[in-house]
Amino acid sequence: DAGVTQSPTHLIKTRGQQVTLRCSPKSGHDTVSWYQQALGQGPQFIFQYYEEEERQRGNFPDRFSGHQFPNYSSELNVNALLLGDSALYLCASSSINSGIEQFFGPGTRLTVL
Amino acid sequence: SQELEQSPQSLIVQEGKNLTINCTSSKTLYGLYWYKQKYGEGLIFLMMLQKGGEEKSHEKITAKLDEKKQQSSLHITASQPSHAGIYLCGADYSGNTPLVFGKGTRLSVIA
Repeated sequence: DAGVTQSPTHLIKTRGQQVTLRCSPKSGHDTVSWYQQALGQGPQFIFQYYEEEERQRGNFPDRFSGHQFPNYSSELNVNALLLGDSALYLCASSSINSGIEQFFGPGTRLTVL
Repeated sequence: SQELEQSPQSLIVQEGKNLTINCTSSKTLYGLYWYKQKYGEGLIFLMMLQKGGEEKSHEKITAKLDEKKQQSSLHITASQPSHAGIYLCGADYSGNTPLVFGKGTRLSVIA
């Protein structure tokens, strides 16, 4: 079991650019949540996807969008990058039916210059 | 004010000593998660507590959830350098909902 995987590991972008981060959930999981973790802070919820639809959303602007594919993998897109978007982006997967345990991936470190 | 407060913010202990990290919620919890994070890396699941008064242990780490389900503690016995990292508590307030995290406790274990 590969667990939750994320790509890329690190990414450097400049202000105004767009970025796409990817996540593959743990085998058997159908729900993917994305979190942003700024330096020295706990992760903050961005949004959650289930059955290819956004199920819940945190307090993040529309520049943050996502997608879930039929194989349950997910993408996080951020447009018009700001310096403040620099953070570790974490993906977590869970199963809507089998319990509330959430497993996290290793994260993608995004640096915006 | 923060929904979920962790204390202390940071902790330096000598190897072999015991320590406790606390997590207090302003609302009743449906579930409480404990994770460990190495600097800049993903979260490693430690334990999840759901029932009031519940206690779980894994190796030298024990976590408890109080009867009112508003406070949890994480206790490490005979700390080792491998215990060093950031400990995060995450609250689930209504079941399969996004977790609300505390700011974390940074633990250093010195020889």
